[in-house]
Amino acid sequence: EMVMTQSPDTLSVSPGERATLSCRTSQSVSTNLAWYKQNPGQPPRLLIYGASTRATGIPARFSGSGSGTEFTLTIGSLQSEDSAVYYCQEYNKWPRITFGGGTKVEIK
Amino acid sequence: EVQLVQSGAEVKKPGESLKISCKGSGYRFTSHWIGWVRQMPGKGLEWMGIIYPSDSDIRYNPSIEGQVTISADKSNNTAYLQWSSLKASDTAMYYCGRLEGVHDAFDIWGHGTMVTVSS
Repeated sequence: EMVMTQSPDTLSVSPGERATLSCRTSQSVSTNLAWYKQNPGQPPRLLIYGASTRATGIPARFSGSGSGTEFTLTIGSLQSEDSAVYYCQEYNKWPRITFGGGTKVEIK
Repeated sequence: EVQLVQSGAEVKKPGESLKISCKGSGYRFTSHWIGWVRQMPGKGLEWMGIIYPSDSDIRYNPSIEGQVTISADKSNNTAYLQWSSLKASDTAMYYCGRLEGVHDAFDIWGHGTMVTVSS
């Protein structure tokens, strides 16, 4: 069974500062990992796929890195609209899809 | 515009049946897998299953299999999620999403259907 661990649970960052979110998988997923942003009352929005490729329309301040079992989503210069819950998702072994528990990003 | 439009919120009693829908437009519906994702109140995302509308190939999350039925009508560009006997624990927001294709990430999402099961 794949276990996805996101940390921290909550991240409080000042506007303009960098936010670093972590996602760890219990088994290697190569680079078969995506990141999503979810605002309250809204569906998730795809930010990153293939561990590091930004989805269409995603600002360059969002970047993804990592491979294997450790991944990072970095928000380069936090803006007020970046306050949300962020989820990672692996898709390494078809048809299994697994989501992490989420990290809530708050603006100080 | 590529979009998935889901059916409206439902309030049901335990034991009742339900079928919710997800209609695609703006792209070739039969060329992408459609998935269903559950989000219980205040909780995270849980993948339920996926369907390929072209031939109705279905894959379920083993932890969900048997609790719901996924189907599709390719002539109507619509995917469905149904329950034969709802439980209070089925209360959740249900999202459909389109798998991107090369990567199995959900690139398009429906707005969600809230299902409330209460006596």
